[in-house]
Parts: sequence; C-alpha cells; structure tokens
Amino acid sequence: GNSVTQMEGPVTLSEEAFLTINCTYTATGYPSLFWYVQYPGEGLQLLLKATKADDKGSNKGFEATYRKETTSFHLEKGSVQVSDSAVYFCARSGGSYIPTFGRGTSLIVHP
Amino acid sequence: DVKVTQSSRYLVKRTGEKVFLECVQDMDHENMFWYRQDPGLGLRLIYFSYDVKMKEKGDIPEGYSVSREKKERFSLILESASTNQTSMYLCASSWDQEGGSPLHFGNGTRLTVT
Repeated sequence: GNSVTQMEGPVTLSEEAFLTINCTYTATGYPSLFWYVQYPGEGLQLLLKATKADDKGSNKGFEATYRKETTSFHLEKGSVQVSDSAVYFCARSGGSYIPTFGRGTSLIVHP
Repeated sequence: DVKVTQSSRYLVKRTGEKVFLECVQDMDHENMFWYRQDPGLGLRLIYFSYDVKMKEKGDIPEGYSVSREKKERFSLILESASTNQTSMYLCASSWDQEGGSPLHFGNGTRLTVT
C-alpha cells in the first residue's frame, strides 16, 4: 500500500542553521506530495505542496522538490528561526483522496 | 480561508460515558476526516466521509462511530469511552475526489478519559 517515511526527530538546531527533513514515499501511481506543519497547541496546516515530478513547492522560506527518481520530497530551509519550532509532517495522496501521512518530525530551534 | 471548527479544545470524560466530538467546516467540502494523534504514532485515520450520510472506516475504527447528516458537519462518537481513547482528535476536510487538494484541519480536541 501507500506509505510515507520521514526521518525521526527531534531535530535540534541553532537559529540560522540549515534544515533538511528527509521524506520518501511509495511510488504507487502519481501522487501529490505535501508538507504540513503543526505549531504547539494547533492543528496541522499546509506548508507547501507539489503535484508532479520536478515541481518545487515553496512557502515561508521552506522548499521541497518532487523527485520521482528517488521517490523523495525532502524539506529544506536555508536559515531556521526559533519560530519554526514545530512538528512537520510529510504526506502523499493521489489515486485516492485519502492521504497517507508520515509520523512527523519535531524541530526544535534554539536561539 | 477555509475554517474547520472543532467544538471543544479540551474535554474530560469518565470511563463508560458516551462522548460526542463535533466538527464543522464552512467551505462546502465533500470529504471530511477524523484522526487521532498520539506521541510516536503520528496521525491515524479513524473514519472518513466523502458525502452526506456516507462513511468509511479508516485504520482504527474500533470503539468509534460517526455521523454526517449535513455536508458541513461530521461528528465522532465514542460509544463507551475508555482510558485508551485518551488522545488528541483532529478533524479535517478537503474538496476533491482525486487527492490533489490538501486537507484543512481544525485545532484539535484533547480528550482525557478518566
């Protein structure tokens, strides 16, 4: 079946460090790929998406590129801030409207 | 902006009680979902609905039921609450049938069963 695997956390960084959170997905069909972010005490909200191979999603300085050859959708940011501390979820859908989520990666950014 | 509203942020119930969690969305979305979120387990799908009065079981439906009498409202029911149902419950909605549109989430209901 469909699955999404993302790196376990927590990821702990200092402010202004470079961030990568790895995500790979099963290659069934032609999924759309998403990153969601969950700030403390809130629900998930869409951070960015990509709908086809080689698309790059971007928002708030975060980027992720849909790599079909490596079935990956890694999240990156060049310079993290304390306010980026949150849990990040990678997800896929497509073929079915029921998305599949990764288990989430907690990011902690220290001043 | 789409708004998904869950009726309670925090709820404390006793074992054996019948519990209703309410969710309302304001964007005429076809699909609605109930997830529970537990540390280390991520999001697990309990039930979903793709139309009024339609419902499908997700990955962990045992001990739960749902109701969708109107398009905008999707209720999760714990028939007889148990302590292992203590969790964060998230409602979400989306509009398309092909999976390309994102989910819109409510802020969650943290349920404690004592």
